[in-house]
Amino acid sequence: DADVTQTPRNRITKTGKRIMLECSQTKGHDRMYWYRQDPGLGLRLIYYSFDVKDINKGEISDGYSVSRQAQAKFSLSLESAIPNQTALYFCATRDSYNEQFFGPGTRLTVL
Amino acid sequence: GDSVTQMEGPVTLSEEAFLTINCTYTATGYPSLFWYVQYPGEGLQLLLKATKADDKGSNKGFEATYRKETTSFHLEKGSVQVSDSAVYFCALPAYSGAGSYQLTFGKGTKLSVIP
Repeated sequence: DADVTQTPRNRITKTGKRIMLECSQTKGHDRMYWYRQDPGLGLRLIYYSFDVKDINKGEISDGYSVSRQAQAKFSLSLESAIPNQTALYFCATRDSYNEQFFGPGTRLTVL
Repeated sequence: GDSVTQMEGPVTLSEEAFLTINCTYTATGYPSLFWYVQYPGEGLQLLLKATKADDKGSNKGFEATYRKETTSFHLEKGSVQVSDSAVYFCALPAYSGAGSYQLTFGKGTKLSVIP
């Protein structure tokens, strides 16, 4: 089984809808991250969490919110989706040596 | 702030050709440096890393040497295969405030290897 899993893998939604992307990990890492990937822009950090009680905004947090339900679960929400949030979203964990472990990604399309 | 700059792609090579993907960094100290690879339809995975100056990271035939004189961490492979077709990202931990560091990634270089 994969160490970092994301659901759903693909999602098409309409402008204005609320969307939640979920991430689970079995690596036992405290640190978890949400990134978005856009062609030509690389990965940009949305939010990160050092533990259940510690949530931090990243480079592009506007329009997004997160919830760290447990050490193993970190979800990303789009309260009112807009077309420029169409992207590939990745969840990741990080170990004490700064190595990050990524999920397979969620491809989100907002129409 | 700390950052990495990597060469723009895409790069197209014939099988068995030599590969170099350039990466330079800007940092106040000597952070660890990383190369990640993203195969089609997958998330990123660590390819190799170097934790201090003059270290050489290597994996799957790829190598990169941490050179502080030129602030570079170029990725090389002597003979690429079709299976190496992927997007490659250079990365380093950048200070993000309150004593914490977050990995900052380059924009990625897409490599296509043709038979």
